Amino acid sequence: NAGVTQTPKFQVLKTGQSMTLQCAQDMNHNSMYWYRQDPGMGLRLIYYSASEGTTDKGEVPNGYNVSRLNKREFSLRLESAAPSQTSVYFCASSERWQSLYEQYFGPGTRLTVT
Amino acid sequence: DAKTTQPTSMDCAEGRAANLPCNHSTISGNEYVYWYRQIHSQGPQYIIHGLKNNETNEMASLIITEDRKSSTLILPHATLRDTAVYYCIVSPRGNAGKSTFGDGTTLTVKP
Repeated sequence: NAGVTQTPKFQVLKTGQSMTLQCAQDMNHNSMYWYRQDPGMGLRLIYYSASEGTTDKGEVPNGYNVSRLNKREFSLRLESAAPSQTSVYFCASSERWQSLYEQYFGPGTRLTVT
Repeated sequence: DAKTTQPTSMDCAEGRAANLPCNHSTISGNEYVYWYRQIHSQGPQYIIHGLKNNETNEMASLIITEDRKSSTLILPHATLRDTAVYYCIVSPRGNAGKSTFGDGTTLTVKP
């Protein structure tokens, strides 16, 4: 099992450009999450999906949109990138509904917006 | 939502027990204490969690005070590979959307 995979691993965008970060899990988990981690800081929740077909805002949702495409895939879209969105983005999944118990994290996408 | 306070950094000698404290004095009755760690910019890794009883698994032990206002994560025999940032998080069950990781404790295990 690959666990949680994220693409791309690295990305550089210019201000105003858009892009979609992809996340997939092969553990048949119900819930999926998107976090961002700014340099030297902890993780902050952007959006989460408790189950297929549902999405909810986390702590810092402004400037982002998400799509739970199916049970495996959860994508994060930046419509108009800003330098403040320079960060490392982590996707995670959990079997338990909307729980911090045993969240499995992907390797992250390192995004720089110039 | 309860917030946590952790020391910024700690050192531990290899082979000794590492005791990482966490203060969560405003914790509510339905909030669990979770511990994660993050090794060198990798994705965080779940360690352990508890409500009010002490818990132990193959990675660590979690000691929660009787009043639940603080807890301690214990790594019984720290190795160099345990060097990481350790996050203490309080979260209601089934409401991960209200959770905050905070800045964590950087544990450095020294030979």
